Amino acid sequence: DAGITQSPRHKVTETGTPVTLRCHQTENHRYMYWYRQDPGHGLRLIHYSYGVKDTDKGEVSDGYSVSRSKTEDFLLTLESATSSQTSVYFCAIGDRFFQETQYFGPGTRLLVL
Amino acid sequence: AQSVTQLDSQVPVFEEAPVELRCNYSSSVSVYLFWYVQYPNQGLQLLLKYLSGSTLVESINGFEAEFNKSQTSFHLRKPSVHISDTAEYFCAVSVPLFKLSFGAGTTVTVRA
Repeated sequence: DAGITQSPRHKVTETGTPVTLRCHQTENHRYMYWYRQDPGHGLRLIHYSYGVKDTDKGEVSDGYSVSRSKTEDFLLTLESATSSQTSVYFCAIGDRFFQETQYFGPGTRLLVL
Repeated sequence: AQSVTQLDSQVPVFEEAPVELRCNYSSSVSVYLFWYVQYPNQGLQLLLKYLSGSTLVESINGFEAEFNKSQTSFHLRKPSVHISDTAEYFCAVSVPLFKLSFGAGTTVTVRA
């Protein structure tokens, strides 16, 4: 298995609070991605990174920001959590830009009350 | 932009029976195609992929998928399923150098 960890694995928070999710890899892959998974929608891309300090928006980026200060870490921040952001969040990594296999982390279940 | 439609949201099947999961895509350019599997409470794992070459691709655990360009389809099949194949399956399409788009998923439940 690719070395990807996500923390925390579960989180309950209240509306309006900031939340940061962490993705850590030990594979030295250049590309990292954050997705959210919701029933009936599959996975939708939130943000991605193509290098240290190089990030871009995906299709559902509103309300989210990201940072990548080191190759191995990719942080996702919910600036002010809302109930619509209750979801399962997956981090993925890859060594070629969207072309080849993406390796997924175990996911973070987030509940916003 | 490309899009993916998985035609069945739930597929119940008996053990040792065949299963087919249907996936159609739309794109105006050439694509790469993937099937990912998600076992309960886990992340997604690549099952198989089509990048180029032979239109029939196989996985190590008995699944196969065929790329049909004229039908814009990439259906997944297995001739005989096991209880351990119970999972959610996602079809995905990628336009080279562009993002990966996932279908909504098909839940396969294998019953004894």
